[in-house]
Amino acid sequence: DQQVKQNSPSLSVQEGRISILNCDYTNSMFDYFLWYKKYPAEGPTFLISISSIKDKNEDGRFTVFLNKSAKHLSLHIVPSQPGDSAVYFCAASAQNSGGSNYKLTFGKGTLLTVNP
Amino acid sequence: AAGVIQSPRHLIKEKRETATLKCYPIPRHDTVYWYQQGPGQDPQFLISFYEKMQSDKGSIPDRFSAQQFSDYHSELNMSSLELGDSALYFCASSSATSGSYNEQFFGPGTRLTVL
Repeated sequence: DQQVKQNSPSLSVQEGRISILNCDYTNSMFDYFLWYKKYPAEGPTFLISISSIKDKNEDGRFTVFLNKSAKHLSLHIVPSQPGDSAVYFCAASAQNSGGSNYKLTFGKGTLLTVNP
Repeated sequence: AAGVIQSPRHLIKEKRETATLKCYPIPRHDTVYWYQQGPGQDPQFLISFYEKMQSDKGSIPDRFSAQQFSDYHSELNMSSLELGDSALYFCASSSATSGSYNEQFFGPGTRLTVL
């Protein structure tokens, strides 16, 4: 049962345009969401995160939007650059489940290709 | 800035052999997580440690064990290896006491191939 879903395996965007990557989740216990970027043969690199008490978080060219009622979040990259080409993973954790560690549940990733 | 270090980066083993993967977290990080990523799959949580104690357990086979040592590094021990254990194994670390405790920072991974 995939609790975090990224329904688009791939996305192709022109340089300078906006990239929108989508993520849906089913577990209502999730209250913290993260986006990671991954190049082949490297570990995931943290990009941006959002707590469930917010609906938007922005960091430079990256903005994450959270719609709790729809259990949906999206990552916007604008303007997109060829160096952004990578696999993007959406991940979620249940912060309020107690304890001091928050295992991540990942989606299957979306391969973003930004064409020059 | 120092990152998470994993060794070895690549490992080739035969079926039924054992393997030990090592993880050195970011300095002053007290929590370590292990994830397994099969080909074309998303990373799956295996096990985590906080302050040298196991804090959570995911879909880790009984053939696997792990521990966190006094210097906070962690080792994942895998025995009776099976073909299906071939995967990328990631270690991540975080700090439970910092303001960004929710954010896990990943190492480059160990690619295990079981022949």
